[in-house]
Amino acid sequence: AQRVTQPEKLLSVFKGAPVELKCNYSYSGSPELFWYVQYSRQRLQLLLRHISRESIKGFTADLNKGETSFHLKKPFAQEEDSAMYYCALSGGSGTYKYIFGTGTRLKVLA
Amino acid sequence: NAGVTQTPKFQVLKTGQSMTLQCAQDMNHEYMSWYRQDPGMGLRLIHYSVGAGITDQGEVPNGYNVSRSTTEDFPLRLLSAAPSQTSVYFCASSSPRGDRGRDGYTFGSGTRLTVV
Repeated sequence: AQRVTQPEKLLSVFKGAPVELKCNYSYSGSPELFWYVQYSRQRLQLLLRHISRESIKGFTADLNKGETSFHLKKPFAQEEDSAMYYCALSGGSGTYKYIFGTGTRLKVLA
Repeated sequence: NAGVTQTPKFQVLKTGQSMTLQCAQDMNHEYMSWYRQDPGMGLRLIHYSVGAGITDQGEVPNGYNVSRSTTEDFPLRLLSAAPSQTSVYFCASSSPRGDRGRDGYTFGSGTRLTVV
C-alpha cells in the first residue's frame, strides 16, 4: 500500500537545538518526496523537494531509499520554525496525485 | 499573479444546507485538487481534476461534487452539509508540463467551514 507515515504528532525542542522530523514512506515505484510547511493559519507552502537537494531556511532532507525515509533536519531550531510540517509523496513525472502524511507540529521553545 | 484563490475564507452552514466553495488559479495549471484538513488526519484528497472536463474521486468524495468547465476554476459543492464536513478545505494546483508531479503543489489559503 502507498503510505506516508509521520510518527510524531508533536515535537517540542528548545531554540538552538537540532531538529529532526521523521517521515517514512511505502511506495512500489520511484517516488518523489516533498516537505510542506504550514505556519499558523496560513496556506501550505512547499518547503523542500528531494530532487532539488536544496537547503531552505536551514532545513535539509535526504531521501534514503534503503530505509524508505525522508527525514527533515535542521541543526539549530529557531522560534519562527514553529509550524505544522507535512511530508508528501508523488509518483513522479506524469503522476499528479500526492499522498500526504498526517503532519508533525513543531514547537520551538524560547 | 494571484496564484490559487479560494472563497469564502470562513463559512457557517446549517445541517442540510448546500453551498459551493470556489477555487480559481491563474497559472495555467492542468491539475487541481481539493483536500480537507482535519486534526490528526492530515490532508485527505476529496476530488481532483487533470484538465478541463475531467474529474475523479479521491479518498473521501462522499457528500461532495466537483466540475471543471474551465482550466482556471474548480468549485467544490457540498450537496447537503453534515457536521462531519466541518473542516478546513484547501484547493491546490500543480504545474502542467515538464516536471509533472515534481514541482509540488500551490495551495490556496483555505476555507474554514463549520456545519452546525
